[in-house]
Amino acid sequence: NAGVTQTPKFQVLKTGQSMTLQCAQDMNHEYMSWYRQDPGMGLRLIHYSVGAGITDQGEVPNGYNVSRSTTEDFPLRLLSAAPSQTSVYFCASSYSIGGLLYGYTFGSGTRLTVV
Amino acid sequence: AQSVTQLGSHVSVSEGALVLLRCNYSSSVPPYLFWYVQYPNQGLQLLLKYTSAATLVKGINGFEAEFKKSETSFHLTKPSAHMSDAAEYFCAALFNSGGSNYKLTFGKGTLLTVNP
Repeated sequence: NAGVTQTPKFQVLKTGQSMTLQCAQDMNHEYMSWYRQDPGMGLRLIHYSVGAGITDQGEVPNGYNVSRSTTEDFPLRLLSAAPSQTSVYFCASSYSIGGLLYGYTFGSGTRLTVV
Repeated sequence: AQSVTQLGSHVSVSEGALVLLRCNYSSSVPPYLFWYVQYPNQGLQLLLKYTSAATLVKGINGFEAEFKKSETSFHLTKPSAHMSDAAEYFCAALFNSGGSNYKLTFGKGTLLTVNP
């Protein structure tokens, strides 16, 4: 089925470990983004990309890196995990027309716990 | 600053009663607006969206929302709540962050409880 696929669904890390959250979409969307969801905070934008080779920071980028080498994939890297990064992470993609974004599609999320 | 505010982090209604979830945005230019629903341990599902066409937008599951520019609001309503409507609801706005860059900004969410 077409959509946004996130892996893994669950992950437990120790403080200081690094890992990559994977996100792939098969809809040929130019725009992809990463959000984190914390209780009472809604979803906050971490990083986003408007196309292959182009990324930019969102609202809460510290501690995370991204790259966009292909249209399909947009991995999120945690360089040195901290307990404050315990959260649920969502990847989303969208197509755009004249810069405006339509048809946002979200992945099912990755629940990350840092101990 | 561009922002989205949802009034009420928790709303409780009886089954069959009107559902009203409030959302206001802060922006000099009216943005595109969205409502998403999230069921427990699931991702976000789009309920409806406003993209500057009709101000009254109908969505899935009997929900609708009305865009009111004068009030900078986009409240979500459903005439009769069903037990299956219990979920968390997020209002979001697509703000222009400069040039051709747009960012989808979310409110903090409203948890809807439906009582039998």
